[in-house]
Amino acid sequence: QFMLTQSPSASASLGASVKLTCTLSSGHSSNAIAWHQQQAEKGPRFLLRVNNDGSHIKGDGIPDRFSGSGSGAERYLSISSLQSEDEADYYCQTWGTGPILFGGGTKLTVL
Amino acid sequence: EVQLVESGGGLVQPGGSLRLSCAASGFTFNNYWMHWVRQAPGKGLVWVSGIKSDGSTTFYVDSVKGRFTISRDNAKNTLYLQMNSLRVEDAAVYYCARSYDSWGQGTLVTVSS
Repeated sequence: QFMLTQSPSASASLGASVKLTCTLSSGHSSNAIAWHQQQAEKGPRFLLRVNNDGSHIKGDGIPDRFSGSGSGAERYLSISSLQSEDEADYYCQTWGTGPILFGGGTKLTVL
Repeated sequence: EVQLVESGGGLVQPGGSLRLSCAASGFTFNNYWMHWVRQAPGKGLVWVSGIKSDGSTTFYVDSVKGRFTISRDNAKNTLYLQMNSLRVEDAAVYYCARSYDSWGQGTLVTVSS
């Protein structure tokens, strides 16, 4: 069964950097994924897409502090110069010609 | 600018029905797969249903099969979700989503007696 696995939580200090991971289950390591941010009491916002070659394409208006990369079955979301408003839930997602799949989400705390 | 605006949520008793709508603008609606995603309070995002760009193919999560129907009107740039036989566990914020890169603001569905 195709799954996306994310750590439930992460934390980093204000001004520091953090790297969140989304792991694709066996047999699906060539899939691209999308990263979404959901701040408290708000809807999700598309951040960027990470392709299977590790390249990424950001959504409109997404700051340069956000970037994506990948290696094998892992896809990463990196955030540099952490700000208080980066405290949020982050979800990875795959898509295709059918159902879409979300990871369980990572709650990022900015200390 | 891509815009997705949901409507139709509300309070309904168990066993009741609701029809959600999602008005799309700012892009060529009939070029994209569209989806409904829900989020129960304090929980993660869960895909509910998706429909191909021309409406010819639909998919559902097992828990809503036979109760929910997704459809679209490409002439009106609108996505729908007909929800019948609603259960308490269907209560959530329902989001309309374009493929992987755009979201609506969500509409709240409450199922309670």
